[in-house]
Amino acid sequence: EVQLVESGGGLIQPGGSLRLSCAASGVTVSTNYISWVRQAPGRGLEWVSVIYSDGSTYYADSAKGRFTISRDNSKNCVYLQMNSLRAEDTAIYYCAREDRSQGTFDMWGPGTRVTVSS
Amino acid sequence: IVLTQSPDTLSLSPGERATLSCRVSETINGQYLAWYQQKPGQAPKLLIYGTFNRAAGIPDRFSGSGSGTDFTLTFSRLEPEDFAVYHCQQYEDSPSFGQGTRLEIK
Repeated sequence: EVQLVESGGGLIQPGGSLRLSCAASGVTVSTNYISWVRQAPGRGLEWVSVIYSDGSTYYADSAKGRFTISRDNSKNCVYLQMNSLRAEDTAIYYCAREDRSQGTFDMWGPGTRVTVSS
Repeated sequence: IVLTQSPDTLSLSPGERATLSCRVSETINGQYLAWYQQKPGQAPKLLIYGTFNRAAGIPDRFSGSGSGTDFTLTFSRLEPEDFAVYHCQQYEDSPSFGQGTRLEIK
C-alpha cells in the first residue's frame, strides 16, 4: 500500500525538542519532494518545510533556525527535528508528498499531534 | 502570499449549489492554485489543481474557476459527503493556504 505515516508527536514543555518521523511505503522519499505541513487547533494549514530529491531543504519563516528536515534513504523516512518549541507550535503535523510537476500535495499521512505546554 | 477564503462557514442543504471563494493577496498564475477537502479527523485531500483540473477520482460536480487574484470552487449539487472544510492553496511561491471554509449541513 502506498502511504505516509507520521510518528513522534506528544506533549512537550516550552523550550523542549522533539523529532517527528514520516515513514513511507510504496513511495521512495529520495526521489520525491516531501513536506511537513501543520494545522494548529481550529486553524488553517501552514506549510513548514520541504526536502527535495536533490537534498535541498527550505523552511517557512516560523521554522527557520529552530526546525531541521532530513531523510534516511535506507529507512525510506523523512524527519523533522524541532528545537526551542513554543506554545504556538502546537498543531497536528502532517507529512505530504509534493507533486513535482504541479506543486500540489497529492499524498498525505494521517498526522501526528504535538502539544507544547507546561 | 496571503489567501483569504470566504465565507468562513456556509450552511446549505444537500442538493443545493455551493460557491466558495479564495482571494489571493497578489496576482498568481492560475496554474498554481489548488483546492483541498478535509473531513473531521482526517488529512486534507487534493480536489482541484491548476485552478480547474480535478484530481484523480474527483467527481465532476466539483469545479474550479478563476484567475489573477480571485478563484472559486463550485459544487453543482451538494451530496451528503461533501460537507467538510475546504482549503485553497497557492504554490507559485512558498506554499500557503487560506484559513478554510467550513461547509455545513443546514
